[in-house]
Amino acid sequence: QKEVEQNSGPLSVPEGAIASLNCTYSDRGSQSFFWYRQYSGKSPELIMSIYSNGDKEDGRFTAQLNKASQYVSLLIRDSQPSDSATYLCAVNSNTGGFKTIFGAGTRLFVKA
Amino acid sequence: KAGVTQTPRYLIKTRGQQVTLSCSPISGHRSVSWYQQTPGQGLQFLFEYFSETQRNKGNFPGRFSGRQFSNSRSEMNVSTLELGDSALYLCASSPLGVTSTDTQYFGPGTRLTVL
Repeated sequence: QKEVEQNSGPLSVPEGAIASLNCTYSDRGSQSFFWYRQYSGKSPELIMSIYSNGDKEDGRFTAQLNKASQYVSLLIRDSQPSDSATYLCAVNSNTGGFKTIFGAGTRLFVKA
Repeated sequence: KAGVTQTPRYLIKTRGQQVTLSCSPISGHRSVSWYQQTPGQGLQFLFEYFSETQRNKGNFPGRFSGRQFSNSRSEMNVSTLELGDSALYLCASSPLGVTSTDTQYFGPGTRLTVL
């Protein structure tokens, strides 16, 4: 089992729809969770961080965390073509020393 | 504040050579992490430096090494390059590092091609 798993996609949604990206992690002791967006040929940029169970909203983005289910999600409302990118889930893990583990990423296409 | 900078941005080497990549973190950030990104393996953690000490290390061979200077700038070295080392090497900085709830901010990366 991979430490951080994401559906690789691609996920295709029409403009204006809600895009839902999911991530599961294996280290039950993880405390910090992040979503990054990476455009092709660019470096990852942080979208959201979340540390407590529940929802955290920032503009069109909502991160959801359920530590009991070891599940993190990112919702993008009113999706725009400019949201087309790869979305990386990242988890700070304490297994074998502190490190940040990234999922393989989900490719999102927003169709105009 | 200036962001994370990495030099060089692009590099072409041949097998067997060695290479040194440089990363300057955001001012005030003491933690620098290095990652290798390839299409097949995604983002893989190499190591993290904090206050000139390697604090964490990923599962990479000893050919991959790094160091951090007193001004928090960091270098990564890869010796005896192999074709499989071709990748985008990303540096990320954060104030305190992955032992806290810190957010990591990435540099633009160095694209290494090994021929």
